[in-house]
Amino acid sequence: DVKVTQSSRYLVKRTGEKVFLECVQDMDHENMFWYRQDPGLGLRLIYFSYDVKMKEKGDIPEGYSVSREKKERFSLILESASTNQTSMYLCASRASGAGHLTRGYTFGSGTRLTVV
Amino acid sequence: LAKTTQPISMDSYEGQEVNITCSHNNIATNDYITWYQQFPSQGPRFIIQGYKTKVTNEVASLFIPADRKSSTLSLPRVSLSDTAVYYCLVGDNRDSSASKIIFGSGTRLSIRP
Repeated sequence: DVKVTQSSRYLVKRTGEKVFLECVQDMDHENMFWYRQDPGLGLRLIYFSYDVKMKEKGDIPEGYSVSREKKERFSLILESASTNQTSMYLCASRASGAGHLTRGYTFGSGTRLTVV
Repeated sequence: LAKTTQPISMDSYEGQEVNITCSHNNIATNDYITWYQQFPSQGPRFIIQGYKTKVTNEVASLFIPADRKSSTLSLPRVSLSDTAVYYCLVGDNRDSSASKIIFGSGTRLSIRP
C-alpha cells in the first residue's frame, strides 16, 4: 500500500527547462519535505512545508521553489534546470502535533532526474 | 542541532548478528533516536525508534545507554536482503521543524553469502 507517491521514477530534462516534481501523500500528514540525495552526501533537505501554502527553506534551497496548494500535494519546481541538479529527489511526509509522537518520515520511491 | 556519527561502511556474513553504533553526543532531552533503512533506488523506510534503554520489534533491536550519547542498532541473523544503507537520526518527532533532524551519510552494510 503506497502512501507517498512521486509522479515519475525517472526523468530526463534539458538545461534551462522548468521542471516540476510532484508528490502526493494519502496519510493526511501536515508536514511534507523534499530532499535530494547524492553519492557521499546523504540526504539534504531542500524545502519543507508544515501546512497548506506554508513553506520553509531547508539546507540547499537555491535553484528550487515549492508549491503546496493542497494538504496532500507538495510540488518541487526547478525554475531553470542545470546539470548540477542531476540527482535523486525524495519526497517525504510526517505527522506532527504537540505531544504526538510520530514514527518519523514516510518516503516516496524517489525520482531520478537527469539534466542534460 | 543533534548531529550523528556512524561508520561509513560495514561488512558481514549471512546468519551473523550485526551491530551498528551511532554517536550523538549533543542529544537533547526531548530527542528520540530513529533508524531508517534504504535500499538502492528506493526511499528510506522506518526501522525502529527509541528514547532510552532497549526497544525491540520484528526487524531489529535498539540499545540506548543511560547517557543517551550513543545508540546501537542490532540486526539479528542478517541475510543478503539486509544489504542497505542505514541512517541514524536524532530529533524531536513532536517538533514540526524538519531542519532539526539531519540525515547523515549513513552506514552502508554489505552482507556476503
